[in-house]
This record gives sequence, C-alpha cells and structure tokens, in this order.
Amino acid sequence: AQSVTQPDIHITVSEGASLELRCNYSYGATPYLFWYVQSPGQGLQLLLKYFSGDTLVQGIKGFEAEFKRSQSSFNLRKPSVHWSDAAEYFCAVGAGGGADGLTFGKGTHLIIQP
Amino acid sequence: DAGVIQSPRHEVTEMGQEVTLRCKPISGHNSLFWYRQTMMRGLELLIYFNNNVPIDDSGMPEDRFSAKMPNASFSTLKIQPSEPRDSAVYFCASSARGGYGYTFGSGTRLTVV
Repeated sequence: AQSVTQPDIHITVSEGASLELRCNYSYGATPYLFWYVQSPGQGLQLLLKYFSGDTLVQGIKGFEAEFKRSQSSFNLRKPSVHWSDAAEYFCAVGAGGGADGLTFGKGTHLIIQP
Repeated sequence: DAGVIQSPRHEVTEMGQEVTLRCKPISGHNSLFWYRQTMMRGLELLIYFNNNVPIDDSGMPEDRFSAKMPNASFSTLKIQPSEPRDSAVYFCASSARGGYGYTFGSGTRLTVV
C-alpha cells in the first residue's frame, strides 16, 4: 500500500529565509508525486507535480521540489519565503497521475515570522 | 472556468438528520473524487468516479454514506443518518482523464450536533 510521511507537523521560518518541507513516500512502482497548498478555509491548490524526467521540478509561487528515488523523498523548497506563504502544505502520491485517487500526508503547517 | 463548485459551504445539522453535499466538477473533467478532512485522520479518499461510474468506494466509512453521479456535471454525497463523528470538511475534486493533479473545490464544512 502506498503511504506518505511528512515528518514535520509545524515549521516556523522567518520572512525572507529559505524553506524546505520534507516528504517521504512508500510506493511499489514509479510514483506520481504532488505538492498541494491549503490556505485557511480554502481548498487545496496544486503547487507542482512529478511524473518522470528531470528530478527537479518547478511549480507555481516560486516553489520547487526534488525527487530522490534512493531516499524515497520529494522535498519542497523555496529560496525566500513571503508572509503570504503561511499555509498548510500537503505531499501526495498516486498511481497513474492520481487517476485512482491520491494518498496524502498529514500536512505541514508553515508559520512565517516577520 | 468557475472551478469545482461545492455547496453548501457550511452545514450545521442535528444528529440523525440526512445531509446532502453537492459538487459540480469542471466541465470536461471525467474523474470526480470525494475526500474527507479531519484533524485526526487528515485527508481520506471516500469514493471516486470515472465517467460517472463509481470505481472505488472502499473509503466510504459506513453504509450511512452514499454517493451518486447522475451525470457528468453533478455529484452528491449523502449521509443518512448523520452522527457527530461525521463532522469534518468534505472536499470534491475533479480531474481530466489520467489524473495528473486534481482541482479541488472549496469544501463543505459539516458540523453535526
């Protein structure tokens, strides 16, 4: 069975500092990996996705993620965070691009300090 | 495109009442997913449809939950009778054939008292 682990429940970062959110997955085949962001009271918005090819993928809002098969990881990064990045971030894995449903991690709550 | 539209945004009901949540997917998307989000369990896939046909409902917690998709532009999730432990945010999402990332609705926050 597939699973996703986001080890950090909360992360606090100063505005302008760099960010890395961790994600580890368990999946038997080539994974399709996603990062979503959820602002309070809102639905989830897709930040980026990895299917194949270049292991460093670029997303919206200046985010990027790197797929490392040897570590079963798909960490999300941003070089300089803005106060508006404060939100809940979810990593997800699925087969076939998610056509059969995605398995989500429990999320990481990002707090931005001024 | 208006995105995935869910209604109502908030629902407060008494235990034992029937609750119906509604979803309109993005036009042209042929897969629809219902998720439930709680603090304890996170995001759980309840059921999904491909081309209006239910494919996997193994995530539906009990027989009190049912979902339908009578056409490509509308789906419902019904809870009858509702219980306090059903309190959660219910999301609908849709995707084009093959997935490749969903578009989520804004969710329905259900409170059963």
